[in-house]
Amino acid sequence: DIQMTQSPSSLSASVGDRVTITCRASQSISHYLNWYQQKPGGAPKLLVFGASILQSGVPSRINGSGSGTDFTLTISSLQPEDFATYYCQQSYSGRTFGQGTKVEIK
Amino acid sequence: QVQLVQSGTEVKKPGASVKISCRASGYTFTTHYIHWARQAPGQGLEWMAIINPDGGGTSYAQSFQGRVTVTRDTSTSTVDMEVSRLRSEDTAIYYCARGVVESAHDYIDYWGQGTLVTVSS
Repeated sequence: DIQMTQSPSSLSASVGDRVTITCRASQSISHYLNWYQQKPGGAPKLLVFGASILQSGVPSRINGSGSGTDFTLTISSLQPEDFATYYCQQSYSGRTFGQGTKVEIK
Repeated sequence: QVQLVQSGTEVKKPGASVKISCRASGYTFTTHYIHWARQAPGQGLEWMAIINPDGGGTSYAQSFQGRVTVTRDTSTSTVDMEVSRLRSEDTAIYYCARGVVESAHDYIDYWGQGTLVTVSS
């Protein structure tokens, strides 16, 4: 099974900060990497698929990049609605989620 | 609009089975895969299984092989997931979700509201 490791597990940031979350796969997954956002009590929401393609309606301050084993999700200027937990997911072989990164208010 | 509506909260005893339903609407049922994932209290997402409604082919995460069964009914646009031999660690919110599977991309674009399953003696 492919393992997905996110870092950090949590971070504290302020509105307007640039935030970067990383996701590493245990083997190459090409570009088969998706990012989701989940807020407390809600279902996940797709942000980025294919490592770098922004889902329709997702603000352009969110950016995904990477290929192979190393991927990043960047929020260029954190907004109040961005405080949430973020998950990466590989779909190259089976499907696996990372353990999540909680973005909290500093 | 695309909707995935799941069945309601379940409380089960250890060793029992539970079946959760997911009814799809707002799109052609057979054109998109359906995933199942779960989230234990305070924990992350765990992918469980996928079914292709067009043909019924399934694939399961290794950790759920033999204990989870996913089926579909094209006449009602419904996917069911049954989990057997429940234990307390299976207490979680279970989600169904619509999958997009293409040659170059494979992702989940819509999620159900979640079904809470509590396993307790």
